[in-house]
Amino acid sequence: GENVEQHPSTLSVQEGDSAVIKCTYSDSASNYFPWYKQELGKGPQLIIDIRSNVGEKKDQRIAVTLNKTAKHFSLHITETQPEDSAVYFCAARGNSGGSNYKLTFGKGTLLTVNP
Amino acid sequence: DGGITQSPKYLFRKEGQNVTLSCEQNLNHDAMYWYRQDPGQGLRLIYYSQIVNDFQKGDIAEGYSVSREKKESFPLTVTSAQKNPTAFYLCASSTRGPAEAFFGQGTRLTVV
Repeated sequence: GENVEQHPSTLSVQEGDSAVIKCTYSDSASNYFPWYKQELGKGPQLIIDIRSNVGEKKDQRIAVTLNKTAKHFSLHITETQPEDSAVYFCAARGNSGGSNYKLTFGKGTLLTVNP
Repeated sequence: DGGITQSPKYLFRKEGQNVTLSCEQNLNHDAMYWYRQDPGQGLRLIYYSQIVNDFQKGDIAEGYSVSREKKESFPLTVTSAQKNPTAFYLCASSTRGPAEAFFGQGTRLTVV
């Protein structure tokens, strides 16, 4: 099955700096890669996603890049703000057999933005 | 408001008891999922369902059971066979194919 590795597990930046979180996946048939933000005690919320036919997607201060050949994708947050502090999860969805509804998550990155 | 609702938010269970966590969605989604979250472990898939009256085991299904009798409901039962049930449980739903999964706010289960 799919395996998603996420790095780093913790990341601390100064307000205004950029933050980058990286993920790799194992199943070359995976075709959907969302990123979720989770605040303490709440459910994860989607912040951006990318499909396998696109190499990069941007939404204001957040961007995601996908390298299908290398099987890795990254989240980039620019001009970080204290309210960006949260746990971020990457995920991959398969596209083969019965797995095309199954999202596999990385273990998460705790991002802390220091004022 | 459309969304996915989990109840209760907090749940306490005595050892040896079964307990059922509720998950309801009014988004008309075909697929529903249950994840377990432990510190440092990320989200691990317990069960998922692609359509009514059908469901599949995820990566950590032992000690859990589910049913999908209605499209909008996907309850999870944590049985006494689950060795370490204390965790944060998250339910999600999505349409078919490569689409966003919407999460509920979670249920924190504590065994006392």
